[in-house]
Amino acid sequence: DAGITQSPRHKVTETGTPVTLRCHQTENHRYMYWYRQDPGHGLRLIHYSYGVKDTDKGEVSDGYSVSRSKTEDFLLTLESATSSQTSVYFCAISEGDRGLLAQHFGDGTRLSIL
Amino acid sequence: AQSVTQPDIHITVSEGASLELRCNYSYGATPYLFWYVQSPGQGLQLLLKYFSGDTLVQGIKGFEAEFKRSQSSFNLRKPSVHWSDAAEYFCAVGAQDTGRRALTFGSGTRLQVQP
Repeated sequence: DAGITQSPRHKVTETGTPVTLRCHQTENHRYMYWYRQDPGHGLRLIHYSYGVKDTDKGEVSDGYSVSRSKTEDFLLTLESATSSQTSVYFCAISEGDRGLLAQHFGDGTRLSIL
Repeated sequence: AQSVTQPDIHITVSEGASLELRCNYSYGATPYLFWYVQSPGQGLQLLLKYFSGDTLVQGIKGFEAEFKRSQSSFNLRKPSVHWSDAAEYFCAVGAQDTGRRALTFGSGTRLQVQP
């Protein structure tokens, strides 16, 4: 158990509203990630963080922002949700200090935007 | 940029039969390679990983994978499948000498097990 908690686990909201998803870890890992999972696409990287206030974009970052003010928390925000952002969102941490070792995942957040 | 291809979207095997799931990657140097399994409604669980050394790696739940540099492949195998192995399987690659500090995932193979 990598000590990763995602909240909420499920959320339904309307187009145009802001949404924030939270990822919390208990083991002081340096690297944290947000992915989205859609049928036929596997997992696609949205943003990742390599330390407090240090973040970088993934390949599907448009429409998303992140923040990491504490080592243990990594927040994903949809400033104005759209239906195309309906997905399952996974947070992950990486073993080690370089971000390339094994990643461990939370249980996911299922987000529906109507 | 590195990429991962899982050619089989869906595979069905009989319980007790052997299993091989294919994974091909595109990357110039020796990558870090991983296999994950995802049961419905769950997150991804690491099955095994390859960094260097012995090209045949053993993982959890009786799975193994073999790294073949000449074929740019990292196929997952299991000699005898159990009904509980029904799930989706993802191959992933990490690139050592790029600025990217994240894994790239394939699109997954869904395994169905027939009784």
